[in-house]
Amino acid sequence: KAGVTQTPRYLIKTRGQQVTLSCSPISGHRSVSWYQQTPGQGLQFLFEYFSETQRNKGNFPGRFSGRQFSNSRSEMNVSTLELGDSALYLCASSSVPGGTTDEQYFGPGTRLTVT
Amino acid sequence: KQEVTQIPAALSVPEGENLVLNCSFTDSAIYNLQWFRQDPGKGLTSLLLIQSSQREQTSGRLNASLDKSSGRSTLYIAASQPGDSATYLCAVKNSNYQLIWGAGTKLIIKP
Repeated sequence: KAGVTQTPRYLIKTRGQQVTLSCSPISGHRSVSWYQQTPGQGLQFLFEYFSETQRNKGNFPGRFSGRQFSNSRSEMNVSTLELGDSALYLCASSSVPGGTTDEQYFGPGTRLTVT
Repeated sequence: KQEVTQIPAALSVPEGENLVLNCSFTDSAIYNLQWFRQDPGKGLTSLLLIQSSQREQTSGRLNASLDKSSGRSTLYIAASQPGDSATYLCAVKNSNYQLIWGAGTKLIIKP
């Protein structure tokens, strides 16, 4: 089975621009979660989607948004980029959202640099 | 508010040694706890998942324990190898179904 894929792997944007990142989950997985990883804040949960619906949301401003398509692929969008948005954005998929046994499988991440 | 702490932040040991990484959390109302490893510039690899009702899980040279009442988990690595060098992260799934992460332990195994 192919793993979680994320595109693009690297991205450089300018302050004020917007960006869209893409994530394709493992085949058969219907839950996709997004995380931001920075040296200062570590890993932080952004949001989770299941069956095209946002099930859970972390504590991030409204500039961060996402969506999920009927094939379970997900995109996240960041508008009006700030320098502090520079981070590794990780996507994870799981087969069973919520509950005690939903092991998450991570993609390689998208490294976003905002200049 | 759930907080996850990992001690030590960094650890360097000679190859072949057994070692223990620690993870503590402040709220015992968790659904599960996962240990991950992260290699430089890469994503995360899941190592072990312990459900809230379990006490430990084992995979090869790795053994993870969970003591929910004291808010602690340990990851035991037996007979360490240079390939085990990585950052090890623990994360707890809290009552809001969100994964709350520790800052990680950077492990270096010296040949």
